[in-house]
Amino acid sequence: AQSVTQLDSQVPVFEEAPVELRCNYSSSVSVYLFWYVQYPNQGLQLLLKYLSGSTLVKGINGFEAEFNKSQTSFHLRKPSVHISDTAEYFCAVSEYSSASKIIFGSGTRLSIRP
Amino acid sequence: DTEVTQTPKHLVMGMTNKKSLKCEQHMGHRAMYWYKQKAKKPPELMFVYSYEKLSINESVPSRFSPECPNSSLLNLHLHALQPEDSALYLCASSQASSSGTEAFFGQGTRLTVV
Repeated sequence: AQSVTQLDSQVPVFEEAPVELRCNYSSSVSVYLFWYVQYPNQGLQLLLKYLSGSTLVKGINGFEAEFNKSQTSFHLRKPSVHISDTAEYFCAVSEYSSASKIIFGSGTRLSIRP
Repeated sequence: DTEVTQTPKHLVMGMTNKKSLKCEQHMGHRAMYWYKQKAKKPPELMFVYSYEKLSINESVPSRFSPECPNSSLLNLHLHALQPEDSALYLCASSQASSSGTEAFFGQGTRLTVV
């Protein structure tokens, strides 16, 4: 069975600074990987996804992530954050064999300081 | 139309009540999901429907009863709930279950059991 670990529950960052949110996954088969963002009192919005191909994936709002198979990681990065990026970020995984079952990590709260 | 619409947005119900949550999508997706999200926690998968058939039930108590009347609609019938069932209930949909594409989420129903 697949699992996802987000090592940081909270990441405080100053505005316009770079940020990296870490995600590691565990699976015995090939996986699809996703990052979702959740603003307060809202549903989840897809930031980006890795299905296959290039390991560097670009998403919305200036975010990107790099798939590293040897380290089983899919870290999310942004070179310069804004106040509006304050939200909860979830890494998620689904296995090729059971692509309907999307499992979420515990989430990372990104708080931006002015 | 890339929306998943959930109604109602908020629901307060007593422990002896029967209520239903509704979810609708018109993206032609054939996989639909119910997730439960407690405060400051990730979404937890409850049920998956694939081509209108229940394909995954994550050992959810029988007081939660899902229904998929057609390919666009998903309901969650609630009966004899407990206060600990209070949570944000999220509906999602995706393309056919084997494709590995992302899930689109609704805004959720905030349920309070009193």
